[in-house]
Amino acid sequence: EAGVTQFPSHSVIEKGQTVTLRCDPISGHDNLYWYRRVMGKEIKFLLHFVKESKQDESGMPNNRFLAERTGGTYSTLKVQPAELEDSGVYFCASSQVEGRGSNEQFFGPGTRLTVL
Amino acid sequence: LAKTTQPISMDSYEGQEVNITCSHNNIATNDYITWYQQFPSQGPRFIIQGYKTKVTNEVASLFIPADRKSSTLSLPRVSLSDTAVYYCLVGAYSNYQLIWGAGTKLIIKP
Repeated sequence: EAGVTQFPSHSVIEKGQTVTLRCDPISGHDNLYWYRRVMGKEIKFLLHFVKESKQDESGMPNNRFLAERTGGTYSTLKVQPAELEDSGVYFCASSQVEGRGSNEQFFGPGTRLTVL
Repeated sequence: LAKTTQPISMDSYEGQEVNITCSHNNIATNDYITWYQQFPSQGPRFIIQGYKTKVTNEVASLFIPADRKSSTLSLPRVSLSDTAVYYCLVGAYSNYQLIWGAGTKLIIKP
């Protein structure tokens, strides 16, 4: 079974440009999460989807970040316009619904974003 | 949310048992303890989760004393491939927002 996949693996853009990150969760996982680690900092939660609905977006840093999950399958995270402080690794994770023995989240390999 | 404290780094040798302890003095009654492992250039990977006493799976054991203010991840007979960062997380089972600390960088030497 395929794991969580993310595209692209790396992205280098200039300040002010737009970048869209994509995440494909494990098939059948209703929960989808975005996290990020900026340089030298700890991994931070950004938001949580349940199917196509945003369950918790308390971690989104500002309105330059827009996450979508149309149809409840893959998700995109758009940064527009990108700023230098947005550089870091963006992780996507997915999980099944509750009651499956653990609330394990399955992570993708991450997208490394560099804003110049 | 309960804060966790772990050693910044540890090292050991192949074939040894490694124990990584995590402190979580403010753990709440409905909080679970979860450990993740992360290799360079990869996303974190779930290792084990527990609430109290001892939990064991094919990868590791998790020891949790009665007061639950700490926990110990035990890796039996480590190999070079166990070199990674290990994160201890504490949170309610229904709290999907994982709270990450700095983790423990474990280096296994030949």
